[in-house]
Amino acid sequence: GQSLEQPSEVTAVEGAIVQINCTYQTSGFYGLSWYQQHDGGAPTFLSYNGLDGLEETGRFSSFLSRSDSYGYLLLQELQMKDSASYFCAVPLHSSASKIIFGSGTRLSIRP
Amino acid sequence: NAGVMQNPRHLVRRRGQEARLRCSPMKGHSHVYWYRQLPEEGLKFMVYLQKENIIDESGMPKERFSAEFPKEGPSILRIQQVVRGDSAAYFCASSTPGQGLNTEAFFGQGTRLTVV
Repeated sequence: GQSLEQPSEVTAVEGAIVQINCTYQTSGFYGLSWYQQHDGGAPTFLSYNGLDGLEETGRFSSFLSRSDSYGYLLLQELQMKDSASYFCAVPLHSSASKIIFGSGTRLSIRP
Repeated sequence: NAGVMQNPRHLVRRRGQEARLRCSPMKGHSHVYWYRQLPEEGLKFMVYLQKENIIDESGMPKERFSAEFPKEGPSILRIQQVVRGDSAAYFCASSTPGQGLNTEAFFGQGTRLTVV
């Protein structure tokens, strides 16, 4: 089967850096994605890692280590608007297919 | 490009009634995916459809739930004889044939179903 594990909650201070980890177990692997979801809103795509290493997009970076079945999302210079749930996700096949989502990490940011 | 459109945004049904949720994919997208999200939980895959064809319905409950994506018009997720446990947010996502959902999935704003 497939499973993704991530912490249920993380708390951080405004302006700080936070890392949200994700470990996965899948029968095949075709990349790791991250999505952000604000309360009452739709999931929105943040990043995708198909290969090992770090992908940077502004204040957000995502890392993948396929040998460790592990990835993380790094958020820098935290802002109050970053308070949301963050989901790691994996597709089950190399082309059009469903994505399996983790249970999500709720990030709370304190002033 | 209007994005993925879902309606209604909120739907209230009494136990035993039917619920119909609609999803219009992004322009040019012919693949639609439905997900269910219970409060404080992640998104659970339900069904993957192409025009006039169900590709993968492994996440659909065996009874009361059905989905279609006709040649013309939106995709419909239909829940018959709703029960309180069906209360959830239902999200639709779409993609193009060559893209799949491997990189970026485009989600609608969801339909919040409340069964009273």
